[in-house]
Amino acid sequence: QVQLQESGPGLVKPSETLSLTCTVSGDSIRSSAYYWGWVRQSPGMGLEWIGTTYYTGTTYNNPSLKSRVTISVDTSQNQFSLRLGSVTAADTAMYYCASGLAGSRQQAFDYWGQGTLVTVSS
Amino acid sequence: SYEVTQPSSVSVSPGQTASITCSGDKLGDKYVCWYQQKPGQSPVLVIYQGSKRPSGIPERFSGSDSGNTATLTISGTQAVDEADYYCQAWDSSAALVFGGGTKLTVL
Repeated sequence: QVQLQESGPGLVKPSETLSLTCTVSGDSIRSSAYYWGWVRQSPGMGLEWIGTTYYTGTTYNNPSLKSRVTISVDTSQNQFSLRLGSVTAADTAMYYCASGLAGSRQQAFDYWGQGTLVTVSS
Repeated sequence: SYEVTQPSSVSVSPGQTASITCSGDKLGDKYVCWYQQKPGQSPVLVIYQGSKRPSGIPERFSGSDSGNTATLTISGTQAVDEADYYCQAWDSSAALVFGGGTKLTVL
């Protein structure tokens, strides 16, 4: 079973870039058995999909964030990362990394990290 | 952009059946799943592909979809089921959306 752990700064200044890393344990990030994604949740609000990446390197991002989002994979560290540029207070949220079983789940996320709270403030 | 709509809240008495809907244009043509999220916790997948339960999810959770509506049904609702529930839809255009969430109150 996959375990996920988010890490990164809890405070980011407006207009800067938010950078988070998700460390995967329990299996290889290179495995074709999974896809990997990011989801966020603003305080007191619902879930918002950020993007999903696959072992092939293909990545899909939320169109509303697309131009600001980069999701990448570091196979040497068994990690995947999120970069969100030009942040504003509206990007303040709990950020979750998540993964799902490719081939059977159709983009549902089986595994979730505990989440990391990122506040955008000067 | 594609949107799915959920009721903001649903109430149910213990032991009764709770139904939470998720509506969207041609939702039946998309892949729908459901998550349970309790306060301070990460979401938990309870239904995928509209009606399938991951291992470890109680049988009282079931899902169905038809036309423009997907439904999460909790039979014999227990106090432990009180939580927020989110539907998620995905289609071949690579668009993934979440519903706004439904707060289930067991009273």
